[in-house]
Amino acid sequence: ETGVTQTPRHLVMGMTNKKSLKCEQHLGHNAMYWYKQSAKKPLELMFVYSLEERVENNSVPSRFSPECPNSSHLFLHLHTLQPEDSALYLCASSQRPADSGYNEQFFGPGTRLTVL
Amino acid sequence: AQKVTQAQTEISVVEKEDVTLDCVYETRDTTYYLFWYKQPPSGELVFLIRRNSFDEQNEISGRYSWNFQKSTSSFNFTITASQVVDSAVYFCALREAAGNKLTFGGGTRVLVKP
Repeated sequence: ETGVTQTPRHLVMGMTNKKSLKCEQHLGHNAMYWYKQSAKKPLELMFVYSLEERVENNSVPSRFSPECPNSSHLFLHLHTLQPEDSALYLCASSQRPADSGYNEQFFGPGTRLTVL
Repeated sequence: AQKVTQAQTEISVVEKEDVTLDCVYETRDTTYYLFWYKQPPSGELVFLIRRNSFDEQNEISGRYSWNFQKSTSSFNFTITASQVVDSAVYFCALREAAGNKLTFGGGTRVLVKP
């Protein structure tokens, strides 16, 4: 596998379900990100992990819970979601800004989430 | 606060026409980085180019070219001789030097018809 992979690619869940999204990067990066892309809003940054520590949480509801067990893996645990949470969830990775001025982010293909 | 505006929501062209995508940004930082990404129907954002605030040289890569004008806070993107495979949503993004956050514009959907 190369680049950034995400599983599953598609997920349908009910409001009472618990599920997890997985992201894995094979680029040797040390920062990882979760974004939400919905039809009516620009790409929204949700969480940032740098060296496995959460460094940014952009007012995301607690029904979204991220986990970064190591620099290559990132999870987004979901529970009691709402229909308005239906969106494309994108994972990205990069070098930390402190390590690389540009730190362009490389994205995975996303998980298309539908909450019924 | 940083902001990126892509005023064109959708552009439709016929193959071989040129198309220019506008991007205007706002930031209070003197050092910042600008990016363009392409999002084809498959969903993955593909990195196209980066530019830092001190480098105002325009760049050409094949059929793609970028025009960075710091005086007008713009970083426009031109596709020359468009092809059907160029059909996608294109995003402009900004990151301030000290932060992790990449702020995206709303995206411009480009439809290239054969």
